[in-house]
Formats: sequence, structure tokens, C-alpha cells
Amino acid sequence: AQSVSQHNHHVILSEAASLELGCNYSYGGTVNLFWYVQYPGQHLQLLLKYFSGDPLVKGIKGFEAEFIKSKFSFNLRKPSVQWSDTAEYFCAVKAGYSSASKIIFGSGTRLSIRP
Amino acid sequence: GAVVSQHPSRVICKSGTSVKIECRSLDFQATTMFWYRQFPKKSLMLMATSNEGSKATYEQGVEKDKFLINHASLTLSTLTVTSAHPEDSSFYICSAHTTEAFFGQGTRLTVV
Repeated sequence: AQSVSQHNHHVILSEAASLELGCNYSYGGTVNLFWYVQYPGQHLQLLLKYFSGDPLVKGIKGFEAEFIKSKFSFNLRKPSVQWSDTAEYFCAVKAGYSSASKIIFGSGTRLSIRP
Repeated sequence: GAVVSQHPSRVICKSGTSVKIECRSLDFQATTMFWYRQFPKKSLMLMATSNEGSKATYEQGVEKDKFLINHASLTLSTLTVTSAHPEDSSFYICSAHTTEAFFGQGTRLTVV
């Protein structure tokens, strides 16, 4: 079974700082990888996803993530954060391409941006 | 994009009663849906996989007799919390997948 680890529980940054949130997964086969964001009081939104191809994927709101297969990692990055990026960020892994494959979430990273 | 609708968004019930939460895929058919539970300031914990026309598959530690799942059609899965207790108070989220996951808006259950 797959699993996901997010090492940073709470990250505090100032506006315009660069962001990198770590995500490592455990699964031996083909994976789909996701980053979701949950703004306060709102439901989950997809930031970006990786299925195959270019390991550097770009998502919404200036976020990007790089899939490094040898490290089983899928870290999320943003060169310059804004106060509006304050939210909870979840990395998730899905084993294989089937719609019946479950998605497992990491424990989440709370991002707080100081104005 | 695909839409998953969840109802109700909030429900308050008395201890000992049962509550049903609906999850619908609005513009695609979903033979499989998933139910998650999210505790405050915590991640989503997968509770069970709902399979159309067959029994749900529950994750370890989840009581199947307490959390009844029915997936009677290709667009509807229901989660019934039976004999609810205050510790069942939580945020319940469903999802269905195409090539990616689409989530319902969640249901805030409060058991008093």
C-alpha cells in the first residue's frame, strides 16, 4: 500500500519569500502524485498533478512541483509567496491510473504568510 | 471539470440518532467513490472505498457497522453514521475519480 510523508507541519514565511514543501511517498509501482490546497473554511482544491512525462509540473497560482523518482519525492515550490497563500497544503499519492485506485493523503503542511 | 456534490454541508444531530450523507457525481459516472474523514487541523483519513453494486471496502480501524456505505447507482454513494456519538463529530468528505480526484464540499457533522 502507498503512503505519504510531509515533513513540515507548519511553515511560517514572510511575503515574497520562496517556498518549498517536502513530500515523500512510498510505493513501488506507477504513481500519480497531487498537491491539494485547502484555504480556511473551504474545501480541497487541486494545485497540480503529475501522471507521467516532464517531471516538473506547473500548477495554478504560480506553484510548481518536481517529481524525483529516485528520491520518491514530489516537493512543492513557489518562488515568491503571497499572504493569500496562507492555507493547508496536502500532498497525495494514487497508485496507478485506475479510477478505482484510492488516494492517500499526507498529514498536511500549514503555511502561514506574514504580511 | 467534473463535479462532485455532497449534501448536506452541515448537520447537527442528537446522540444516538443516525445521519445520512449523500455524495453525487454530477457529470460523470463513478463506479468507485471514496469517503474520507478530516479531524480539525488534521489530514484526510480514508475511511472506505464505495463500490457500485457491491460491498464497500473499509480501511483498517473503521467500523463498518457504524459507517454504513451504500453505492446503489453510478452517480450516488451514501454514508450513514449510525447511532452517532459526540466523538463522531467531524468533517466528512467524499470523492470520485476520473484521471484525478474530485472532492465534494464536505459535510460538517456535529453530534450533541
